[in-house]
Amino acid sequence: SQTIHQWPATLVQPVGSPLSLECTVEGTSNPNLYWYRQAAGRGLQLLFYSVGIGQISSEVPQNLSASRPQDRQFILSSKKLLLSDSGFYLCAWSVQLVGEQYFGPGTRLTVT
Amino acid sequence: AQRVTQPEKLLSVFKGAPVELKCNYSYSGSPELFWYVQYSRQRLQLLLRHISRESIKGFTADLNKGETSFHLKKPFAQEEDSAMYYCALSGGRGSTLGRLYFGRGTQLTVWP
Repeated sequence: SQTIHQWPATLVQPVGSPLSLECTVEGTSNPNLYWYRQAAGRGLQLLFYSVGIGQISSEVPQNLSASRPQDRQFILSSKKLLLSDSGFYLCAWSVQLVGEQYFGPGTRLTVT
Repeated sequence: AQRVTQPEKLLSVFKGAPVELKCNYSYSGSPELFWYVQYSRQRLQLLLRHISRESIKGFTADLNKGETSFHLKKPFAQEEDSAMYYCALSGGRGSTLGRLYFGRGTQLTVWP
């Protein structure tokens, strides 16, 4: 069966520090991968999605970037964190780009 | 442009009362609509999709293309239904719309 993992589960980082959040999927090949930020009162905001290795689409211009170095690995990064980057980050995967998505457990990021 | 609107950020009902979570969408083609749910300390997960025409945990949702709505309904709410609910839209098979669009979510609280 397919599973999706995210780590770390929680992270506290100072302003200006770098960030790397990792997401991996098991049990499927060539998944579509997504990064979302979930903020109270603002719902679920799509940040990046990827249909294949090295293929990244950005939805919202911001301080973050994403990479897909391997088929089932999706990384969210920042060179210098801002206070506004605090939030709950969700990774998801899907078989088809239009259809059901499966979500990971999330990472709670607090920028201090 | 495609958009999903959930007008109620918060919704509270008493146990046994009917509940309706509203969702309206804007999309010119033939969309696929979904309801996702996130229970406390659990992952975001699919609750139901309109093409399945199924009832899950007593919830149903009918796509009304005339009113561009996909409201989620349950005749008798239970305490365990308390959760955050997200309505989502995709362009459907053959569409050029490449991903899910989520509403901002409705936090449902069912009081005993």
